[in-house]
Amino acid sequence: GENVEQHPSTLSVQEGDSAVIKCTYSDSASNYFPWYKQELGKRPQLIIDIRSNVGEKKDQRIAVTLNKTAKHFSLHITETQPEDSAVYFCAAGMYSGGGADGLTFGKGTHLIIQP
Amino acid sequence: GAGVSQTPSNKVTEKGKYVELRCDPISGHTALYWYRQSLGQGPEFLIYFQGTGAADDSGLPNDRFFAVRPEGSVSTLKIQRTERGDSAVYLCASSPTGSAGELFFGEGSRLTVL
Repeated sequence: GENVEQHPSTLSVQEGDSAVIKCTYSDSASNYFPWYKQELGKRPQLIIDIRSNVGEKKDQRIAVTLNKTAKHFSLHITETQPEDSAVYFCAAGMYSGGGADGLTFGKGTHLIIQP
Repeated sequence: GAGVSQTPSNKVTEKGKYVELRCDPISGHTALYWYRQSLGQGPEFLIYFQGTGAADDSGLPNDRFFAVRPEGSVSTLKIQRTERGDSAVYLCASSPTGSAGELFFGEGSRLTVL
């Protein structure tokens, strides 16, 4: 089955600086890579996703890059703000026209934005 | 309702007891997923329904765990002979047909087995 490794487990950055979280996956058949943000005591919420037919996707201050050959993908957050403080999870899985199969999640990165 | 609803929000039970956790997905969402999340970990996939049928139950840890979705809407996760290791937050998520893949999670049911 799929195995997803995520690093670092904790990341502390100054407000306004950039943050990068990295993930690797093992199953070359995986073609869908979402990122979820989970605030303390809240439900996970999708912030950005990418499919294997593209190498990069950007949405305002958030971007994701994918290297299929190396089987790794990364989340980049620029101009970090206090509200970016949360736990971020990467995931990998199979997507077909009808939707996504069960995802394998990483263990999470606790992002702390220092004022 | 506006979002995925899960009940109960908290359940405390004794080892060996039977537990049912309910999920009411977003109206019209055909795909429904169960995950469980232990403290400090990412969500762990359990089972996925498309309509009434289980499309993939490969994540269920053993035969004490079972889930149903008889009418293609509400789903119930059933855990028999609970063990302390079953303690976790059980998350339900739904997704519409042909979606881009986004999962809409509920707030979860926190299960504590004493």
